[in-house]
Amino acid sequence: EDQVTQSPEALRLQEGESSSLNCSYTVSGLRGLFWYRQDPGKGPEFLFTLYSAGEEKEKERLKATLTKKESFLHITAPKPEDSATYLCAVQSQGGSEKLVFGKGTKLTVNP
Amino acid sequence: KAGVTQTPRYLIKTRGQQVTLSCSPISGHRSVSWYQQTPGQGLQFLFEYFSETQRNKGNFPGRFSGRQFSNSRSEMNVSTLELGDSALYLCASSSLSGAGRGYTFGSGTRLTVV
Repeated sequence: EDQVTQSPEALRLQEGESSSLNCSYTVSGLRGLFWYRQDPGKGPEFLFTLYSAGEEKEKERLKATLTKKESFLHITAPKPEDSATYLCAVQSQGGSEKLVFGKGTKLTVNP
Repeated sequence: KAGVTQTPRYLIKTRGQQVTLSCSPISGHRSVSWYQQTPGQGLQFLFEYFSETQRNKGNFPGRFSGRQFSNSRSEMNVSTLELGDSALYLCASSSLSGAGRGYTFGSGTRLTVV
């Protein structure tokens, strides 16, 4: 059974203090690993899809990386508006569109 | 381009009642998936529809059902509501134009069962 574990559960940073979020996964053939951002009362907002080990993607202050067992979301010089819950999900090969999500990391960036 | 639209945004129902939630996907998207989000379990997959056919179903009881119409709009139904069904129900759509492309989520329907 596919599983995703995210750590830490919560992270509090000062503005400008860089850090990383971890997503460990087990999947029977990775089709894609997804990162989403979710603000309170809203649906998840798509950030990145990673397909194979060694792949990296960047968007503004965010950079996602992938190995065969885990993914990292690096946040460089965060701002208060980066405060949100970050969700990681995997999709296995086989044709299903099902995503298996971790429980997320709640990030708070203080000014 | 309009996003995924879910209605209603909020709903309060009494235990034992049934409820129907609606999802309109992004124009041109033919795949619609439903998820239940709770503080304890996070996001859990309910089911996925493509071209009016249910292709996959999560580990939820038969009280949870859904359907998709020819215009790709989807509905999910929960019968005989229980207190534990209180959750945020999210719909996501995809164009399936490439492997593992990002899925666009709606803002969800917040269901409270009392």
